[in-house]
Amino acid sequence: QSALTQPASVSGSPGQSITISCTGSDRDVGSYNLASWYQHRPGKAPKLIIYGDRERPSGISDRFSGSKSDNTASLTISGLRSDDEGVYYCCSYTGGSNYVFGTGTQVTV
Amino acid sequence: QVQLQEAGPGLVEPSVTLSLTCSVSGASLRDGDFYWSWIRILPGKGPEWLGYIYYSGSTYYKPSLERRLVISIDTSKNQFSLDVASVTAADTAVYFCARTQFGSGPFDFWGPGAQVSVS
Repeated sequence: QSALTQPASVSGSPGQSITISCTGSDRDVGSYNLASWYQHRPGKAPKLIIYGDRERPSGISDRFSGSKSDNTASLTISGLRSDDEGVYYCCSYTGGSNYVFGTGTQVTV
Repeated sequence: QVQLQEAGPGLVEPSVTLSLTCSVSGASLRDGDFYWSWIRILPGKGPEWLGYIYYSGSTYYKPSLERRLVISIDTSKNQFSLDVASVTAADTAVYFCARTQFGSGPFDFWGPGAQVSVS
């Protein structure tokens, strides 16, 4: 099972919007409405910010939004803030009680 | 608030069995709505799901690592554990425990991670 492909880094200015892509295949992202996204700051616990392709957990800002087209899931962060900096990982269920994660994207504000 | 905390040896020698424990507070491992997972991040790589356990003791592992992994659960202590057999330098990673929503759900709460070096 190959890792999902993400850009290594994305940057933006405060207040701008950025989009991170996550490309898989028809065996993972394209087969299930189960893509999730995680924010990871150094030394902290990763935080779930999107699940089910586009759903936000309680307490997550609506500045974070998820979408999907074919085998590619995307995360958009609008109104970029300095505390959005960190590494963002996507993840997809792959069937058979198995999961695959993305390669990770460093977000710099 | 659900909190998870990993505990591990930090440094282990090659060929031994690595053992990690995850202590959970704010949630019960007996809750049938969740699995309890182990995930690791290798240096310079994305996360790798290793496996999970249900309160009943049922386990599911990443197929390519299954023969080296054992996940166990102690509901009386609200802890679950991971053993990785015959470790090599390639197992050097930050190891995380996480709560997983039942039915192929996401990982909704994670611990801060435990660095493990094999040398």
